[in-house]
Amino acid sequence: GQNIDQPTEMTATEGAIVQINCTYQTSGFNGLFWYQQHAGEAPTFLSYNVLDGLEEKGRFSSFLSRSKGYSYLLLKELQMKDSASYLCAVRDSTGGDYKLSFGAGTTVTVRA
Amino acid sequence: GAGVSQSPSNKVTEKGKDVELRCDPISGHTALYWYRQSLGQGLEFLIYFQGNSAPDKSGLPSDRFSAERTGGSVSTLTIQRTQQEDSAVYLCASSLFVNSPLHFGNGTRLTVT
Repeated sequence: GQNIDQPTEMTATEGAIVQINCTYQTSGFNGLFWYQQHAGEAPTFLSYNVLDGLEEKGRFSSFLSRSKGYSYLLLKELQMKDSASYLCAVRDSTGGDYKLSFGAGTTVTVRA
Repeated sequence: GAGVSQSPSNKVTEKGKDVELRCDPISGHTALYWYRQSLGQGLEFLIYFQGNSAPDKSGLPSDRFSAERTGGSVSTLTIQRTQQEDSAVYLCASSLFVNSPLHFGNGTRLTVT
């Protein structure tokens, strides 16, 4: 399986930038996903990286380094509605399966 | 079209009873996943279906848990002889292809008393 590590909690001020790091160990890497989950709701897809580099989508960007087993999610111009849990998930294709395993999530609190 | 639909949204059951949780994936999606999320915890993988292949059951916590997917569409997760530690939100997700993003349903909140 995968070991997926991300910080438990982060706090930032409205309008600021926050970077959520994720490290992983897997033998058959086949993509890394970031999901946002508001309290009491289902996770929603934010971004997908399979090749090294930065993927930008509006205020959210995600970076991947496969050689380092490392990704980050960058949230810019933080808004109060960005307060949520952010889940890093890694897909492993070992043996022909495509299981997606999730980290424990990082709870981001945005303060006024 | 409609998203992933799960039923019931809430289920309260007595310890020792069996429960069935249902998932209707997005039409045309080939892969279907079940996860479990306990309060304040991350998502725990349970089982994964891909097309007509044998499911990956490696995440099922015990033989009290089973799941099936009929006709490559609707899936049912069955928990027999429920225990209090089974209390959690059970999330279903589907994806168009094996390497596509997952789309989650709103989950079934199971409470075992």
